[in-house]
Amino acid sequence: DTGVSQDPRHKITKRGQNVTFRCDPISEHNRLYWYRQTLGQGPEFLTYFQNEAQLEKSRLLSDRFSAERPKGSFSTLEIQRTEQGDSAMYLCASSQPGGDTIYFGEGSWLTVV
Amino acid sequence: GEDVEQSLFLSVREGDSSVINCTYTDSSSTYLYWYKQEPGAGLQLLTYIFSNMDMKQDQRLTVLLNKKDKHLSLRIADTQTGDSAIYFCAEKGGYQKVTFGTGTKLQVIP
Repeated sequence: DTGVSQDPRHKITKRGQNVTFRCDPISEHNRLYWYRQTLGQGPEFLTYFQNEAQLEKSRLLSDRFSAERPKGSFSTLEIQRTEQGDSAMYLCASSQPGGDTIYFGEGSWLTVV
Repeated sequence: GEDVEQSLFLSVREGDSSVINCTYTDSSSTYLYWYKQEPGAGLQLLTYIFSNMDMKQDQRLTVLLNKKDKHLSLRIADTQTGDSAIYFCAEKGGYQKVTFGTGTKLQVIP
């Protein structure tokens, strides 16, 4: 069990560029979550997958954001036309079927300049 | 909607007990969690409690839940300098979404 893995850990991009983050959940965890955390705040829910189905999306997830989990294993979070306000840490988490505990990865830091 | 509130800062001396408090609004909460976050790192799950319990103890950690008042606390016994971090309270309601508080920064003075 290697834990939730996120890549890249840090990304600096120019405003207007697209970025993509990858998350590999703990094996056999069928639930996968994306959260966003800005400085001094707690994580905010973005979206949730059960297997490959995206079951819940926050209104924070504007049309510039898209998340996929095509085979029910790893997931990607893409941000198009990045804005400075997108600068944050993007956290991925996973849990087992019917599991109580949600485990987080180390996060992917995004800085938009 | 769901809301979770915590005090922003707590300072204790090494060896003392720390008590971090949290209140939440969602009466349908099923699980309540405590996570620890060190600078630049992700969230480490410390402990959690099911909503039909009122206490859970795990080594130096004690979680107390007052469901009537929607109040959750985390007590850390014999606080060490390595416990310095931000502690997040979180609750999971009827859906899979977990709502976090803004975090309590714990400073341990040697």
